[in-house]
Amino acid sequence: DTEVTQTPKHLVMGMTNKKSLKCEQHMGHRAMYWYKQKAKKPPELMFVYSYEKLSINESVPSRFSPECPNSSLLNLHLHALQPEDSALYLCASSQEVRGLATDTQYFGPGTRLTVL
Amino acid sequence: AQKITQTQPGMFVQEKEAVTLDCTYDTSDPSYGLFWYKQPSSGEMIFLIYQGSYDQQNATEGRYSLNFQKARKSANLVISASQLGDSAMYFCAMREGSSGNTGKLIFGQGTTLQVKP
Repeated sequence: DTEVTQTPKHLVMGMTNKKSLKCEQHMGHRAMYWYKQKAKKPPELMFVYSYEKLSINESVPSRFSPECPNSSLLNLHLHALQPEDSALYLCASSQEVRGLATDTQYFGPGTRLTVL
Repeated sequence: AQKITQTQPGMFVQEKEAVTLDCTYDTSDPSYGLFWYKQPSSGEMIFLIYQGSYDQQNATEGRYSLNFQKARKSANLVISASQLGDSAMYFCAMREGSSGNTGKLIFGQGTTLQVKP
């Protein structure tokens, strides 16, 4: 079962709010990813966790704070966002990260975030 | 530098016909993987098909096949017998496999496919 779930599906927040996005996978994957996607553009990598440790931060502003409580869960904490942060946020998982060109990433349905 | 190029921003195809979506890539790594994803308007990125750089045969998955021409650095997606549900954005992506690789997928700009009834 290649399923990655994300909640919520939609989120509207003000610039002073604090909210969290959640992602869960039950495929036994050890790598998890957060992507940001603007309309009609490819996804942009934000963070990568490998074996529950942050392995890549693509110079993402500190108002985005990732957390990996265990190998199945990935959170993205949001605080003091800007309207330009409005986008589709996609979570993905894969078996492992390094040195494996066959490592397929499976994506969740995404959270559509609107910042007012 | 690693790069994926999709030169067709938008395409139309008649239902039940075949369509080819173009993808060219650039890498100096001899080990790499090429992926195609489908993204309907709902937003989910759906994995379709994978081709490894050392694979001798072109990958196929149901109605999807990958026309892999290594010397030309192209990995075109062929969808046979198009269906209305194939209308979506399609992304070609690449991952390099050498040691130290960080797991990054390099995406093309995408091609929007519309299937006409």
